[in-house]
Amino acid sequence: KAGVTQTPRYLIKTRGQQVTLSCSPISGHRSVSWYQQTPGQGLQFLFEYFSETQRNKGNFPGRFSGRQFSNSRSEMNVSTLELGDSALYLCASTQGQGYGYTFGSGTRLTVV
Amino acid sequence: GDSVTQMEGPVTLSEEAFLTINCTYTATGYPSLFWYVQYPGEGLQLLLKATKADDKGSNKGFEATYRKETTSFHLEKGSVQVSDSAVYFCALSDLAVSGAGSYQLTFGKGTKLSVIP
Repeated sequence: KAGVTQTPRYLIKTRGQQVTLSCSPISGHRSVSWYQQTPGQGLQFLFEYFSETQRNKGNFPGRFSGRQFSNSRSEMNVSTLELGDSALYLCASTQGQGYGYTFGSGTRLTVV
Repeated sequence: GDSVTQMEGPVTLSEEAFLTINCTYTATGYPSLFWYVQYPGEGLQLLLKATKADDKGSNKGFEATYRKETTSFHLEKGSVQVSDSAVYFCALSDLAVSGAGSYQLTFGKGTKLSVIP
């Protein structure tokens, strides 16, 4: 069974640019969540999608957005990049709350 | 809001030593509890979970018991190996304030474990 796939693994962008990250969940998992990991703030929840609908959003500015497609694949977008957006972005999928969440390997974004 | 507090370490142990990583939580609902492990340059791997009080999660020699009365979920292993060196995260999953049937993970800050031969 394929795991959660995130692409690309690494990205280097310049301040002010925008970026799109992709996540393919485990087949059959309809819930996809995104998390930001930084050394200072740790792991922080960005948003969660279920059946193409954003059900929940963390405390991040509107520059952070996402969407989910009918095949459950998800993308997140960050516009007007800032140096502080440099982080490991992790995607997780689940078939239900009690089952646990399976994480991808993440996308390492560096903003210069 | 929900929160998770775990010992931050770093923790350095000799091979075959006993491991305990403390984790306590605060939650508004009745959460599920998890331990995740992260190896360098990788994402998070689910180590074990427990979904109700007194449940014991176990995997690869690691154990943790959901203690509702003390709001704790301490991670233990009887004999650590060099290959256990990693960062360990305690987490809870609770129904989001926004409702809509959404759950989100709240993580502790992580504990870096180094096991020396």
